Amino acid sequence: AQSVSQHNHHVILSEAASLELGCNYSYGGTVNLFWYVQYPGQHLQLLLKYFSGDPLVKGIKGFEAEFIKSKFSFNLRKPSVQWSDTAEYFCAVNPNQAGTALIFGKGTTLSVSS
Amino acid sequence: KAGVTQTPRYLIKTRGQQVTLSCSPISGHRSVSWYQQTPGQGLQFLFEYFSETQRNKGNFPGRFSGRQFSNSRSEMNVSTLELGDSALYLCASSLATRQGETDTQYFGPGTRLTVL
Repeated sequence: AQSVSQHNHHVILSEAASLELGCNYSYGGTVNLFWYVQYPGQHLQLLLKYFSGDPLVKGIKGFEAEFIKSKFSFNLRKPSVQWSDTAEYFCAVNPNQAGTALIFGKGTTLSVSS
Repeated sequence: KAGVTQTPRYLIKTRGQQVTLSCSPISGHRSVSWYQQTPGQGLQFLFEYFSETQRNKGNFPGRFSGRQFSNSRSEMNVSTLELGDSALYLCASSLATRQGETDTQYFGPGTRLTVL
């Protein structure tokens, strides 16, 4: 079955530390890839997406992600986190023949201390 | 543009009852998808509607159903509620226009359903 794995359930960082959240998926065909963020008390928001082209994509708030096809990975990075980045982060995959259906990872909770 | 709206925001039901949740997509979006979010299973895809037709379905029992109206508004219905149906139900809309086409989904705030 198609699945998405996020390696870290909970990450705790200090402000200004660098962030990398891992995401791997199991699907052999063409996929579209997304990272969503859910801030406390808010709904899911799109951080960034990859459909095709440059495998290094930039999103909002200084986030970026790199698609490595050979590793089935789409890791999220940010060079310097802020307290306001405290949130839950979800990686999602859309198999290209599945309409808009998203397969989500279980999420990673990021806690940033000031 | 207004975002995706969902009503009601909170709902409490008892086992065996049925419930209907409503979703209004972003203006101009014709694709509406539904997801269930629980602490144990995370976010799981329920179904997708486009132009009043269900075009994709997740792995949920037949008690979960939905429909879409000509104005793209969507409803989902859960019959014979079970305790395990307690969850946050999220609706998402997108501009995807053709069969099999994908596009970014924009999520609503969700309806929190509690089954007692």
